[in-house]
Amino acid sequence: DAGITQSPRHKVTETGTPVTLRCHQTENHRYMYWYRQDPGHGLRLIHYSYGVKDTDKGEVSDGYSVSRSKTEDFLLTLESATSSQTSVYFCAISPGPGEGSYEQYFGPGTRLTVT
Amino acid sequence: DQQVKQNSPSLSVQEGRISILNCDYTNSMFDYFLWYKKYPAEGPTFLISISSIKDKNEDGRFTVFLNKSAKHLSLHIVPSQPGDSAVYFCAASEGGATNKLIFGTGTLLAVQP
Repeated sequence: DAGITQSPRHKVTETGTPVTLRCHQTENHRYMYWYRQDPGHGLRLIHYSYGVKDTDKGEVSDGYSVSRSKTEDFLLTLESATSSQTSVYFCAISPGPGEGSYEQYFGPGTRLTVT
Repeated sequence: DQQVKQNSPSLSVQEGRISILNCDYTNSMFDYFLWYKKYPAEGPTFLISISSIKDKNEDGRFTVFLNKSAKHLSLHIVPSQPGDSAVYFCAASEGGATNKLIFGTGTLLAVQP
């Protein structure tokens, strides 16, 4: 299994509060991704990173920001949490197509509840 | 607009029989397809993939078939085992530098002993 951890694994927060989720990898992969999983929607890409300090938006990026100050860590921040952001969040990593691989490897997930 | 569709939310098969999970896509620029398996409370795990230059890829009990003209791919599991019970997601990529994946909504497979 790829070395990916996510913290926290579970969080309950109130509407309007800021929340930061952390993804940590030990594989030295260039690419990192944040997804959310919701019933009826599968996994949807929020933001991704293709290198340190290099990030871009995915299909559901509104209300989220990310930062990547070093290869191993990718942070997802909800500046002001809303109930619609209640979801399970997954981080994924990939060596990238330059390494001949399109596979992404996922962390265990963070279940976030916004009340 | 769902570019990757899994029209069967669930599938039930008997142990030892074949499981066939289907996936359709609309974007003709997709050139790499993947299947992931997900157990409850865990992250998805990569299962098998196929490039658009191939029409079949096999790995043990798992075979993925790609029909580009129909924009359809399928995952065959033979023989099915109770441990295969999980949600299966298909995903597609246009390739390129971003390596972004577009996922289907998933199919819940239940293998009955």
